[in-house]
Amino acid sequence: DQQVKQNSPSLSVQEGRISILNCDYTNSMFDYFLWYKKYPAEGPTFLISISSIKDKNEDGRFTVFLNKSAKHLSLHIVPSQPGDSAVYFCAARNAGNMLTFGGGTRLMVKP
Amino acid sequence: DAGVIQSPRHEVTEMGQEVTLRCKPISGHDYLFWYRQTMMRGLELLIYFNNNVPIDDSGMPEDRFSAKMPNASFSTLKIQPSEPRDSAVYFCATGGGTIYGYTFGSGTRLTVV
Repeated sequence: DQQVKQNSPSLSVQEGRISILNCDYTNSMFDYFLWYKKYPAEGPTFLISISSIKDKNEDGRFTVFLNKSAKHLSLHIVPSQPGDSAVYFCAARNAGNMLTFGGGTRLMVKP
Repeated sequence: DAGVIQSPRHEVTEMGQEVTLRCKPISGHDYLFWYRQTMMRGLELLIYFNNNVPIDDSGMPEDRFSAKMPNASFSTLKIQPSEPRDSAVYFCATGGGTIYGYTFGSGTRLTVV
C-alpha cells in the first residue's frame, strides 16, 4: 500500500514557465512533508518542507502548498530553469521521524 | 563533514555472485537507512538502524539480502546470491531528527548480468 504517491512519472515544461509537481498521501498522521531533488549520479538532496499546520511555504522560486483536507501537496517552481531538470521526490514524515517517499517525478525544463 | 559516503559507486557482477555495498554515515546521526531506487518503485526503504540496531527490515525483499551496522561509522548491505532483478541504485541515508529529513549518499549503481 503506497502511502505517498506521485502520479505523474514525468513532466516537461518550457524555460520561464511554471512547473507544478503533485503528490498525494493517505495517512493523516503525517506531520511534515518534504521535497527532495535528485540529479543523475547523485543522491537526493533536501529542497523544501512544510509542516502539517501550514498550507504554504515559500523559498525563492520554490513554493510548496499543502491541502490537508484533500491530502495533497504540490511543489511550484517559478520561473522554471533548465538547471531545475531533475527527479523530484515528495516525502512524508510520521511521528517517529520516518520518511515515506513517493515514486518520483522527472522534470525536464526545455530551454 | 564529508557527508554520507558510499562505495563502490558502480558495481557490475555476474548472477550468483555475492555483492557487498558499503556506507559510512555522518557522525552523530542516530539513524541509518538503506534504500533502493528503481524505475518501477521509486525509492524503497529496505532496512533502517537506530543507534546501530536494526529496527525494521520488512522492506528487505528476500533472504538473499542482509544488512549490518557493526559500529556507528560503518554499515554494509550484502546480496548473496545476486540476481539480475537486483540491478538498481542503492542509497544509504542518515538522519538525526531535523526538519531536513535525511542526508543521502551518492548511491551505488548495481548491475547484475
